[in-house]
Amino acid sequence: GIQVEQSPPDLILQEGANSTLRCNFSDSVNNLQWFHQNPWGQLINLFYIPSGTKQNGRLSATTVATERYSLLYISSSQTTDSGVYFCAAFMDSNYQLIWGAGTKLIIKP
Amino acid sequence: KAGVTQTPRYLIKTRGQQVTLSCSPISGHRSVSWYQQTPGQGLQFLFEYFSETQRNKGNFPGRFSGRQFSNSRSEMNVSTLELGDSALYLCASSWGLTGGRTEAFFGQGTRLTVV
Repeated sequence: GIQVEQSPPDLILQEGANSTLRCNFSDSVNNLQWFHQNPWGQLINLFYIPSGTKQNGRLSATTVATERYSLLYISSSQTTDSGVYFCAAFMDSNYQLIWGAGTKLIIKP
Repeated sequence: KAGVTQTPRYLIKTRGQQVTLSCSPISGHRSVSWYQQTPGQGLQFLFEYFSETQRNKGNFPGRFSGRQFSNSRSEMNVSTLELGDSALYLCASSWGLTGGRTEAFFGQGTRLTVV
């Protein structure tokens, strides 16, 4: 079936470290978003990136649609980066946003 | 510009009762989607409304229903609550239909506990 898979499921880093989160999707997409869910449950938009590369401060993302994956880069991690990172992809074949299981990131001071 | 507003933030209900959750989208947005988030199942799509019409529905029983008003505000109703309905319910707002190259923005969620 249609799937969105994220890796790694858990990541523990020291403050200041860099990290790469991966999102693989099983079909072609025309809408892909990355979100950060804070401890209170709010989903915060990071990137809307169906293809190409975008940067926002310490965060950047790249989607290679032809190879069916997206990467989220976090540089110089801060404790406030802790939380769960989700990617969600819209595939025409299923007409809804399909969510990955998330990457739980813990940044230690 | 105000974000997506969900009310109430927290709710405790008893099995068998019904509950109504509300979502006010970002001004100008016409699409509202609802999701259920549980620790075991992750984020699951419930339904999407656009211009007062349900455009898509996830795989949930008929106890879950919704509607959208002319001002794009949406309500979700769950009847005959079960313990398994305990979850965080998230609402997303977007200018166009999901999948139409339009970005979705989420509210803070309503945390429902069924006892």
